[in-house]
Amino acid sequence: QSALTQPRSVSGSPGQSVTISCTGTSSDVGAYNYVSWYQQHPGKAPELMIYEVSKRPSGVTDRFSGSKSVNTASLTISGLQAADEADYYCCSYAGSQLLIFGGGTKLTVL
Amino acid sequence: EVQLVESGGALVQPGGSLRLSCAASGFTFSGYWMHWVRQAPGKGLVWVSRINSDGSSITYADSVKGRFTVSRDNAKNTLYLQMNSLTLEDTAVYYCARDFSHTASDSWGQGTLVTVSS
Repeated sequence: QSALTQPRSVSGSPGQSVTISCTGTSSDVGAYNYVSWYQQHPGKAPELMIYEVSKRPSGVTDRFSGSKSVNTASLTISGLQAADEADYYCCSYAGSQLLIFGGGTKLTVL
Repeated sequence: EVQLVESGGALVQPGGSLRLSCAASGFTFSGYWMHWVRQAPGKGLVWVSRINSDGSSITYADSVKGRFTVSRDNAKNTLYLQMNSLTLEDTAVYYCARDFSHTASDSWGQGTLVTVSS
């Protein structure tokens, strides 16, 4: 159960788009369409932004979108805003009722 | 409004035990799977365990299997995490979270800090 691989940090200017990758294996990300993404501001609990690769929970802005190709999932945030500055985590189903998170990516809005 | 409130976090010595609780309100607790997720200071999220709605099926991460036990009392709307044989690596904020589509979590508590130190 090794953590999924995410870049440690990404950055972008307000109004731009950024993409955060999440690389797993053929046993987790590549095997199931069950990747979720979470946003976590400092000192706060995580918030679900994307589930089942590309679906948005009610109330999440469509500036957030998700996709997957083979063993890599991606989260794209368009129209960057200062409030988007946070840590982002991917999570994948890994079979046998197990879940595995990525190491997290710090998004800086320049 | 969905609310999850964890409690029970404390300073405990290596080898010790602790029981965390998660009080749920604002939704039909007995109808949902639940998860425990932890986060060491300055580190990322790590999934710990999940329990199905009636407590008959429980899964653990390898790192806690055999040491941690998850249970629930649907009559009291409460989720529990019994932690035994604690090590320094178990130091973390522990979150309980409501399951969403069996592979995600849509509501989280504020977390409770467990510190394992001599």
